Amino acid sequence: QKEVEQDPGPLSVPEGAIVSLNCTYSNSAFQYFMWYRQYSRKGPELLMYTYSSGNKEDGRFTAQVDKSSKYISLFIRDSQPSDSATYLCAMRGSSASKIIFGSGTRLSIRP
Amino acid sequence: DGGITQSPKYLFRKEGQNVTLSCEQNLNHDAMYWYRQDPGQGLRLIYYSQIVNDFQKGDIAEGYSVSREKKESFPLTVTSAQKNPTAFYLCASSTTGTGKETQYFGPGTRLLVL
Repeated sequence: QKEVEQDPGPLSVPEGAIVSLNCTYSNSAFQYFMWYRQYSRKGPELLMYTYSSGNKEDGRFTAQVDKSSKYISLFIRDSQPSDSATYLCAMRGSSASKIIFGSGTRLSIRP
Repeated sequence: DGGITQSPKYLFRKEGQNVTLSCEQNLNHDAMYWYRQDPGQGLRLIYYSQIVNDFQKGDIAEGYSVSREKKESFPLTVTSAQKNPTAFYLCASSTTGTGKETQYFGPGTRLLVL
């Protein structure tokens, strides 16, 4: 079993829809949770960074962590075609050098 | 502009050849990392360095080597011992010691075997 599971998609939604992206994990020692956006043939770009359980909002993006269920989510409101990318979840424990990445969900927003 | 640069963007390797991928950062980060990304898989850690002149193996270090002679630079050599080198290689960097570090990535180098 992988430490981090992420549905690879592809996920296709119409412009303006609310998008929900999710990851589950098995290691209860994970404390820091991240979402990266990766456009085709580019490096990942950090979108959201949260510590422990709870919600964090940044513009149209909301990151949610439920440590009791070992489940994290990224919500995108009012989705735009420019949001079309692969979204990687990532998480770590106390060691900053050991980040575990999900395999990524490919998202497409239809105009 | 602060950031991480990787060169070249594309690199071609012949059988039995060693090739070196460049990674430079001007973020004043202490730690640097190399990852390999294959289609449908998450990023896998090859090597990392938390300080100049020191580095550690990651999960898939076999067939790769690194050096860290300067804080700003962390080149990766793909040796002929790496039998399946075709992949997208990503360099990252982070601060250390704050407890809230996360990693920032460069644009990547795509390595192809001729």
